Amino acid sequence: SQTIHQWPATLVQPVGSPLSLECTVEGTSNPNLYWYRQAAGRGLQLLFYSVGIGQISSEVPQNLSASRPQDRQFILSSKKLLLSDSGFYLCAWNLRGRWNYGYTFGSGTRLTVV
Amino acid sequence: GESVGLHLPTLSVQEGDNSIINCAYSNSASDYFIWYKQESGKGPQFIIDIRSNMDKRQGQRVTVLLNKTVKHLSLQIAATQPGDSAVYFCAENSGGSNYKLTFGKGTLLTVNP
Repeated sequence: SQTIHQWPATLVQPVGSPLSLECTVEGTSNPNLYWYRQAAGRGLQLLFYSVGIGQISSEVPQNLSASRPQDRQFILSSKKLLLSDSGFYLCAWNLRGRWNYGYTFGSGTRLTVV
Repeated sequence: GESVGLHLPTLSVQEGDNSIINCAYSNSASDYFIWYKQESGKGPQFIIDIRSNMDKRQGQRVTVLLNKTVKHLSLQIAATQPGDSAVYFCAENSGGSNYKLTFGKGTLLTVNP
């Protein structure tokens, strides 16, 4: 069966520090991968998505970047965190070519920038 | 731009009652819709989905209804339980072949014992 792993679960980082959040998917090949951010009590904002290795699309201009070094690995990074980067970060995957392509989400990373 | 939205941001029900959570969408080209449940501090979980060639789909204690005429989607939860307390999001495909989903703002469902 397919599983998605996201870590760390929680993170407290000072302003100006770097960030690296990792997401991996097991049990499938060539998934679409997504990074979402959720502010407290708010909806889901799509940050990046990837349809293949090295292919990254950015949905909103921001202080973050994403990379996909391997088929089932998706990384969210920042060189210098801002207070506004605080939030709940979610990784998700789905498969192309299926009619029921709903996302499967990871368990999320709670990032607090102090 | 086109978006998915919700009629009610909060819903409070008594345990054992049926719950109905509503969602309006404006993209007439959307052909796939999903409901997610998100408990506090966790990632959203898939509940049920429906294609636009259907108007009703049933799962275990949940039913999704789709009214394409008025671009309305609803989630019905039968015999609501305290464990159903969560935020519920509707989502639609963004159109085209990119398999991205657009999410509504969410409805907080609170089940009172």
